[in-house]
Amino acid sequence: GAGVSQSPRYKVTKRGQDVTLRCDPISSHATLYWYQQALGQGPEFLTYFNYEAQPDKSGLPSDRFSAERPEGSISTLTIQRTEQRDSAMYRCASSLQGEGETQYFGPGTRLLVL
Amino acid sequence: SQKIEQNSEALNIQEGKTATLTCNYTNYSPAYLQWYRQDPGRGPVFLLLIRENEKEKRKERLKVTFDTTLKQSLFHITASQPADSATYLCALEEPGRRALTFGSGTRLQVQP
Repeated sequence: GAGVSQSPRYKVTKRGQDVTLRCDPISSHATLYWYQQALGQGPEFLTYFNYEAQPDKSGLPSDRFSAERPEGSISTLTIQRTEQRDSAMYRCASSLQGEGETQYFGPGTRLLVL
Repeated sequence: SQKIEQNSEALNIQEGKTATLTCNYTNYSPAYLQWYRQDPGRGPVFLLLIRENEKEKRKERLKVTFDTTLKQSLFHITASQPADSATYLCALEEPGRRALTFGSGTRLQVQP
């Protein structure tokens, strides 16, 4: 597509529920990243994919967080048993190959856990 | 782990002046250093990338310097305009690792 898209744009959920966020990267981009951004802070790395491989998931805060990119295109980020501290903006970005390249960010999904 | 410091206080300057933003980092020198612009409610937008063996990079009214001895990058906007008002984020890419580590950003306000 023309840019990185994410859905939903806003998600309100109750504590303990599972949520799944979706990212549709730029179609020619091999690398896809997930970040978490708190208000007034820069994005914090969660994980990334190179096509369908997930070489680095060191930034995932707990085992409640998982991500997939089964066909090397669209990716989902799932948070199980959500907690209030999971409330944040979740941003997806993609780049052509990876190292030393521009990352193109999506509009983000604002998650609010009540 | 890498720590990045950007001035958390907003920078207010007059239109036409040069804005200079600072990014300091600890630990190892990154392979790449990038600057992004972020407007309220939007995702970061890439501006410039500088490699560890480069001292300076320019793009139109933007200039980035990279001093690996001081562990510092400076970001300059010359002839600033009110439309340059935004938050500017510094991001480092570790050697051999694709993840970007972002600073918390500095908000720039250009007064007409």
